Amino acid sequence: QSALTQPPSVSGSPGQSVTISCTGTSNDVGGYNRVCWYQQSPGTAPKLLIYEVTNRPSGVPDRFSGSTSGNTASLTISGLQAEDEADYYCSSHTSRGTYVFGTGTKVTVL
Amino acid sequence: EVQLVESGGGLVKPGGSLRLSCAASGFIFSDYRMDWVRQAPGKGLEWVSSIDRPSTYIYYADSVKGRFTTSRDNAQNSLFLHMNSLRVEDTAVYYCVRESFLYNWFDPWGQGVLVTVSS
Repeated sequence: QSALTQPPSVSGSPGQSVTISCTGTSNDVGGYNRVCWYQQSPGTAPKLLIYEVTNRPSGVPDRFSGSTSGNTASLTISGLQAEDEADYYCSSHTSRGTYVFGTGTKVTVL
Repeated sequence: EVQLVESGGGLVKPGGSLRLSCAASGFIFSDYRMDWVRQAPGKGLEWVSSIDRPSTYIYYADSVKGRFTTSRDNAQNSLFLHMNSLRVEDTAVYYCVRESFLYNWFDPWGQGVLVTVSS
């Protein structure tokens, strides 16, 4: 199972919006509405940010939003803040009953 | 508070074995599927294995299939990862995670335990 494809890095100034893509296949991202996004700050465990493509767990700011189109899911951070600087990973359930993560994207706040 | 605490990591030689444990608290352990996810130093996340509630269905990544075995003890609220024939490329922080069967999310994550495979 190959990792889902994400851009290695994205950057933006405070207040701007950035979007991270996550491209898979019809056997994972395109086949299920089960894409999740995780945020990982340096030296810490990942934290659930988005589940079922668009849903936010309680406590996650609404400036984080998700969407999907075909085999590509996207995470948008609106109104970028300094504390959003972290690594972001997408994940998806697969047709084999397994899971696959994205390659990861480093978000830099300029 | 929902909590997952891993233990059992350390330094092992290539070809060796190691058993990781994960102690769960703050939720009904037997109600959830559980997974292992790993992260090599400076690298991304890699899903390793999942186990359903009664231990009937256990899945593995191709990279560990035949070498790793996942098990659980619902009476002791514990998850285990038995790792055999370890390779240098198995060096990683291993995270224990709770899985939602309905939504396929992983939450929360344990603090992680480091496994180093080196001669």
